[in-house]
Amino acid sequence: KAGVTQTPRYLIKTRGQQVTLSCSPISGHRSVSWYQQTPGQGLQFLFEYFSETQRNKGNFPGRFSGRQFSNSRSEMNVSTLELGDSALYLCASSLEAGINYGYTFGSGTRLTVV
Amino acid sequence: DQQVKQNSPSLSVQEGRISILNCDYTNSMFDYFLWYKKYPAEGPTFLISISSIKDKNEDGRFTVFLNKSAKHLSLHIVPSQPGDSAVYFCAASAQGGSEKLVFGKGTKLTVNP
Repeated sequence: KAGVTQTPRYLIKTRGQQVTLSCSPISGHRSVSWYQQTPGQGLQFLFEYFSETQRNKGNFPGRFSGRQFSNSRSEMNVSTLELGDSALYLCASSLEAGINYGYTFGSGTRLTVV
Repeated sequence: DQQVKQNSPSLSVQEGRISILNCDYTNSMFDYFLWYKKYPAEGPTFLISISSIKDKNEDGRFTVFLNKSAKHLSLHIVPSQPGDSAVYFCAASAQGGSEKLVFGKGTKLTVNP
């Protein structure tokens, strides 16, 4: 069974640009969550989508947004990039909402803002 | 406000000995706790979990202990192996795991041969 697929694996962007990251969940999984990992802050929750609806949101500015499509694939978008947005962005999928249903992480997208 | 704290950024142990990783939490609504292991350039992988109705859960070489009154949990790895060298994250959730995961900052474990 294919795992959680995140694309691209690596990305370099310039300050002020915007970026879109993609996450394809495990087949049959309906929930996708996004996390930001930085050396100083560990993993911080961005948002969770379930059945195309945002179910939970973390404490990030409005520049961070996401969506989920009918096939459960999810994208997150960061507009007006700042140097501090450089991080590993991880997504996790699960069968249903919450962490009790096979919560599995992808390998992440490494975003570097220069 | 950091709700899940891993106060040791790193830990080094000898192969064959016990590794003890600690985690403290402040939110009394947390009732489900997990440990994840992460290698560089990979996503975190689930290791072991414990519900607040238990105080211990074992899975092979890994045991998690929960002390609710102290709001403290620990992960014991016995015996430690070089392949256990990774960053370990403690995470917590409320509502029996239906709420978002809150992670600690991680502890880097190095097991020396």
